[in-house]
Amino acid sequence: GENVEQHPSTLSVQEGDSAVIKCTYSDSASNYFPWYKQELGKGPQLIIDIRSNVGEKKDQRIAVTLNKTAKHFSLHITETQPEDSAVYFCAASKDRGGSNYKLTFGKGTLLTVNP
Amino acid sequence: DGGITQSPKYLFRKEGQNVTLSCEQNLNHDAMYWYRQDPGQGLRLIYYSQIVNDFQKGDIAEGYSVSREKKESFPLTVTSAQKNPTAFYLCASSNPLGFGGANYNEQFFGPGTRLTVL
Repeated sequence: GENVEQHPSTLSVQEGDSAVIKCTYSDSASNYFPWYKQELGKGPQLIIDIRSNVGEKKDQRIAVTLNKTAKHFSLHITETQPEDSAVYFCAASKDRGGSNYKLTFGKGTLLTVNP
Repeated sequence: DGGITQSPKYLFRKEGQNVTLSCEQNLNHDAMYWYRQDPGQGLRLIYYSQIVNDFQKGDIAEGYSVSREKKESFPLTVTSAQKNPTAFYLCASSNPLGFGGANYNEQFFGPGTRLTVL
């Protein structure tokens, strides 16, 4: 089955700096890679995703890059703000069909943005 | 106001008792999921259901059971056979058929239930 590794487990940055979280996956058939943000005591919420036919995707201050050959993808947050502080999860799955709705999650990164 | 609700937010049970966690969605999603979250462990899939009256085991199904009698409901029972039931439980749903251009992979999560077994 799929295995997703996520690093670092904790990340502390100063407000305004950039933050980068990296993930690797094992199944070369995976083709959908979402990132979720989880605030304390709440359920995770999708913030950005990328499919394997795209190398990079941006949405305002956040971006995700994908390297299919190396089987790794990264989340980049620029101009960090205190409200970005949360746990971030990467995940991987194959496209629709059969049992391919399952997401395999990384173990999460606790991001702290210091004012 | 569409979404996923889980109740209760906090649940306490004595060891050896079965307990059922509620998950309801009004998003008209076909697929529903149960995850368990432990500190430093990320989200681990317990059970999932792609359609009514059908469900499959996830990665850590032992000691848990589910039912999917209605599209909007996917209750999870934590049985006395689950050796370490204390955890944060998250329910999610998705729309795998992607009607209307929806992101068919996106999973929408409920607020979670924190179960403590004393």
